[in-house]
Amino acid sequence: GQSLEQPSEVTAVEGAIVQINCTYQTSGFYGLSWYQQHDGGAPTFLSYNALDGLEETGRFSSFLSRSDSYGYLLLQELQMKDSASYFCAYSTPLVFGKGTRLSVIA
Amino acid sequence: DAGVTQSPTHLIKTRGQQVTLRCSPKSGHDTVSWYQQALGQGPQFIFQYYEEEERQRGNFPDRFSGHQFPNYSSELNVNALLLGDSALYLCASSLAGGPHYEQYFGPGTRLTVT
Repeated sequence: GQSLEQPSEVTAVEGAIVQINCTYQTSGFYGLSWYQQHDGGAPTFLSYNALDGLEETGRFSSFLSRSDSYGYLLLQELQMKDSASYFCAYSTPLVFGKGTRLSVIA
Repeated sequence: DAGVTQSPTHLIKTRGQQVTLRCSPKSGHDTVSWYQQALGQGPQFIFQYYEEEERQRGNFPDRFSGHQFPNYSSELNVNALLLGDSALYLCASSLAGGPHYEQYFGPGTRLTVT
């Protein structure tokens, strides 16, 4: 079948680093995407990994291991505004996980 | 540069009624996808329109139908509404031939079925 698994909730301290894991199962796989969604807002694209390894975009990094069907999103120097839901997804069409709700506390 | 817009923002309907939601894609985009997002869940793919035709469809019943107009805007129609259809309906646009993984989402229409 097709599925993505990610933790439902994560809490981290402002200024710290947090890692959100995602494991997936699918017969056809092109790559893993990450989206951010604030409460009441639209999902916004963060990053994409087509190949194994780490992709860095500012404070956010994303990692993929195709052999392990596993990826993660790494958020560094956490800020209060990073409190949101984070979704991993594969395509196409985009199939989303259930999301990880990140709470950043002072 | 106008982003994806959706209307209405909120909508309340009664079971059995029909509803039409509207979406205008980001300027320059020609492909529109619709998603249903239940509370606390990730978006679920309903279908995608390109060149005024449904190109891909997710696991949704025929009560869900759509249309794309020559200006690339799109409508989502849901007939015979059920309580379980209450959700946030998201429209996303992209450019055919562009990155398949990067879609631009609108703010959504919150549908409540009573």
